[in-house]
Formats: sequence, structure tokens, C-alpha cells
Amino acid sequence: GENVEQHPSTLSVQEGDSAVIKCTYSDSASNYFPWYKQELGKRPQLIIDIRSNVGEKKDQRIAVTLNKTAKHFSLHITETQPEDSAVYFCAAGLNSGYSTLTFGKGTMLLVSP
Amino acid sequence: DAGVTQSPTHLIKTRGQQVTLRCSPISGHKSVSWYQQVLGQGPQFIFQYYEKEERGRGNFPDRFSARQFPNYSSELNVNALLLGDSALYLCASRWTLGDTQYFGPGTRLTVL
Repeated sequence: GENVEQHPSTLSVQEGDSAVIKCTYSDSASNYFPWYKQELGKRPQLIIDIRSNVGEKKDQRIAVTLNKTAKHFSLHITETQPEDSAVYFCAAGLNSGYSTLTFGKGTMLLVSP
Repeated sequence: DAGVTQSPTHLIKTRGQQVTLRCSPISGHKSVSWYQQVLGQGPQFIFQYYEKEERGRGNFPDRFSARQFPNYSSELNVNALLLGDSALYLCASRWTLGDTQYFGPGTRLTVL
């Protein structure tokens, strides 16, 4: 089955800095890669996703890049703000059929004012 | 626009008991998946249902079972509870298989 590794487990940055979280996956058939943000005691919220027919996707301060050859994808947050502090999870799966998502173990992002 | 809802919010049980967790998907969504999230870990897939049929099962013992009703709501049942079953149980819905999943707020289960 699919295995997703996520690094780092914690990331501390100053407000205004950029943050990068990286994930690798094992199943070359995976073609759907969402990122979820989970604040303490809250549900995971989808913040951005990418499908394997594109290499990069941006949404305001958030971007995701995908390298299918190397089987890794990354989340980039620019101009970080204290409200970006949360746990971020990457996931991988198939964009069809019976596939579900395999999640990484999460990255706790702390943005200091 | 109502999101995915789950009940109850919190639950405390003792070892050996049985528990039933409930999930109502976003209106129009036909697929429901259940995940277990242990503290400090990412969600782990338990079951997926689409059009009332099981369409996937994760690596969980037979003590875990689920079903989906004609209105697409779902129940997750766990029998013979163990201390290790303590976790946040998340339900996610989507319109169809392969579509984006949206999570509910979860049910926090504590087994004493």
C-alpha cells in the first residue's frame, strides 16, 4: 500500500518568513495530493490540492509543487502570519475508483509574531 | 451550507464496551469515509462507503464495522473497546469516489 513520509515534524518561523513542508510517497500510481490544515481541536480543512497532470498550483500565499519522477511534493507558505500556526498534513491517493487517502504524520507550524 | 456533521462530540467508554458513532455528509455527497486519528498522528483510513456499499477497508480488526444508510448518513461501530481505541474519529464526505474529501469535526473517544 501507499506510504507517505512528511518532514519536518515541527517548523518554527518568524512572521513574514516562508515555510516549506515536504512529503514523499511510495506508490507511483498515486495521482492526487491534498494538503490539510488542522488547528487544535478542529477538523482538518483542505487548503490546497494538486493532481498529477500539473506540477505546481498556487492560491494566494500558498503553493504546492509536485515531482512525480522523484515521488515528492511540497507545500510552500509565503509571508507567514500567526494565524497560519497549525498542524499541516499531506496526503496521497488516487483520483478515482475506490482509492482513499494515506496521510503523513503532520507538521506543526509555529509562526511567531 | 452545512458541512459534515458528527455525533456525539465526545464520548467516554470503558474497556470491553461497544460504541456507535454517527456521521451526516454534506447534502448531495454520496460517499462517506471514516478515519481514526490518534493524538500526534495523521488520520488513518478505516472504511469507505459509496451508495451504501463498502468500497474500501483499512487495516483495522473486525471489531470495527460500519454502514451507510439510504440518506447517505453513516455509522461506525466499535465492539470490545480497547484502551488503544482512544482517538479522534473523523468522518469525511465527498460527492463521488475520487472527489475532494471534506472532514467533519470528529468524535473524541476516550476508553478508560
